Parts: sequence; structure tokens; C-alpha cells
Amino acid sequence: QLQLQESGPGLVKPSETLSVTCSVSGGPISSRIDYWAWIRQPPGRGLEWIGSIYYTGRTHYNPSLKSRVTVSVDTAKSQFSLKLSSVTAADTAVYYCAREATGAPSIWGQGAMVTVSS
Amino acid sequence: QSVLTQPPSVSGAPGQRVTISCTGSNSNIGAGRDVQWYQQIPGTAPKLLIYADDNRPSGVPDRFSGSKSGTSASLAITGLQAEDEADYFCLSYDNSLSGSGVFGGGTKLTVL
Repeated sequence: QLQLQESGPGLVKPSETLSVTCSVSGGPISSRIDYWAWIRQPPGRGLEWIGSIYYTGRTHYNPSLKSRVTVSVDTAKSQFSLKLSSVTAADTAVYYCAREATGAPSIWGQGAMVTVSS
Repeated sequence: QSVLTQPPSVSGAPGQRVTISCTGSNSNIGAGRDVQWYQQIPGTAPKLLIYADDNRPSGVPDRFSGSKSGTSASLAITGLQAEDEADYFCLSYDNSLSGSGVFGGGTKLTVL
């Protein structure tokens, strides 16, 4: 059974780079039909799609975040990662990773809360 | 301001039928892009209820159904149960945003 688990720093200072990693277990990250996505949710608010990556490294990003976002994949470690630069308090959120099968994020991690504060 | 528009809240009594709308535009739902629906219990990750407009993943009760017409989509829940009280989100993809995913703002369902 496929499982995803996020890991992150918990607290990041303003202007620094937020990094979160998603570990995939129970199935191959090199699946030819899946993308791997990042989605976030600020406290008490709705969901925002950040971007996704194919195992070959092909990426899609939300244009509103594209200048600050990098998503990468490490197939050897069965992990994919999110980096968000120049963070502000507005980037405080629960960051979810998900398997995007047939265009639908279908299996989600439990989420990692990241707070931006000095 | 979300690209997809949902009502902030809906309510219904146990056993009743409720619908939640998701309105987009000709660059997303109206362009034929698939619509997904998620249920989120506070403090937990969203759960996929409907994918590709009207398909249910294995394990999702048939009380949940999806439909799409023009630039809008709907989620219907029949035989409302107390456990259905949650937040519901729609998701599609937008051709004018380089194929980026776009969510609705979410709808809080209250079971009276």
C-alpha cells in the first residue's frame, strides 16, 4: 500500500528558504503514470496547488509561486522535495505531498506544518 | 480569490440530499479539464471522493456523485449522515495558468 510522509523543519525565518521532503514507500516513485505533487493549506484557509514532478524531472508549477519554487526528485531515495525561497509569514501553512494519478492527487501524506517566523 | 468558486457553506438534515457547486471558466472546467472533489475533516489530509468529473475511487460510498456541465461542476451527497460533516473542495486544472492545478475555496457542510 502506497504511503507518503512529509518531513520538514517546522520553523523557518523570514527571507530564508523552506525545504520539505516527501518519502514514498510501498510503491515505485518511478511510475510512468504518476506525477508527484505539493499542495499547501494556510491555517483555517483553503488548499493551494504548488507544483508537481514526474520521475524524469519534468515539472509543472503554479505561476503565482513559480519564481520561488523548485521541486526535485531523487528516485534512488524514493523521495521528492520542495524548496520555496524568500519566505514570508504568508507562506505559513501545512504542506502536503501527494501522488497525482490520472490528474488527481489521490494519495496524500499527513502534512507537515511549517511556520515562518523570526 | 479562488479561480474556482464554491459556496462557503451548505447544510442539510440527516437523510436529505445536498449539492455543492464549483464554478469555473472556459480555461478550466469549460475547457473540458477534469474536476476532482475532496472531503477534509479538520486536522486531517483531504480524501479523494470523485475524480475525472464523475468517478468514485474504490471504497467511496455511492451516496457521493459528481457531475459537470459547461463551466460548472457539482458534488451531490444523498442520504446525508452525521459523519459527512466536513469541508469539501473541488480541483481542476487551468489552461491559462500553464496547466496549474486550481482549487475552489471550499464549502463547509453542516449536518443539522
